[in-house]
Amino acid sequence: DIQMTQSPSSMSASLGDTVTINCLASQDIGNYLSWYQQKPGKSPKLMIYGATNLEDGVPSRFSGSRSGSDYSLTINSLGYDDEGIYHCHQYYEYPLTFGSGTKLEIK
Amino acid sequence: QVTLKESGPGILQPSQTLSLTCTFSGFSLSTYGMGVGWIRQPSGKGLEWLANIWWDDDKYYNPSLKNRLTISKDTSNNQAFLKITNVDTADTATYYCARIESGSYYFDYWGQGVMVTVSS
Repeated sequence: DIQMTQSPSSMSASLGDTVTINCLASQDIGNYLSWYQQKPGKSPKLMIYGATNLEDGVPSRFSGSRSGSDYSLTINSLGYDDEGIYHCHQYYEYPLTFGSGTKLEIK
Repeated sequence: QVTLKESGPGILQPSQTLSLTCTFSGFSLSTYGMGVGWIRQPSGKGLEWLANIWWDDDKYYNPSLKNRLTISKDTSNNQAFLKITNVDTADTATYYCARIESGSYYFDYWGQGVMVTVSS
């Protein structure tokens, strides 16, 4: 199985900050990587697909990047609405796997 | 507009079979390239993929649940189903269904989730 090692597990940042969340894949997954935002009591919302593609309607403050097997989600100009848990997900091969999640708190 | 909604028993006892239904609209599982997946999330924990079913009835399962899973569909009624046999407390979670397309393979639309508790 492909392991997705996500870091950090939690973080706290201030309004207007820029933050980066990382996922390291245990083997090559190409660009078959998506990012989801999850608010308390809600289902995950697709933010980024294909490692770097912004889903329709997602603010351009969000961006995804890749360096080898390292994938990153960067959020610029943090706002209160960005608080939640972020999950990475590889869909390169079965079994599909997710990272363990990053809880982002806005101070 | 794509929507999905899960339904389930709420609570069941260990060793019973969990039956979940995903009722969707805005797409059809008889359309080439369409699929539905099931994902679960224990409270306070991460997401775990369970199974996918495709328009052509191709099915994929998470081997970590061995032979306990069965996914199926009813294209006439726009529903997908998941059964988990011999449940125990570790199966307590919120269960989500989500749409997937063969051109992209990521989950783009998710249901609201249904909470399932396994307790004696």
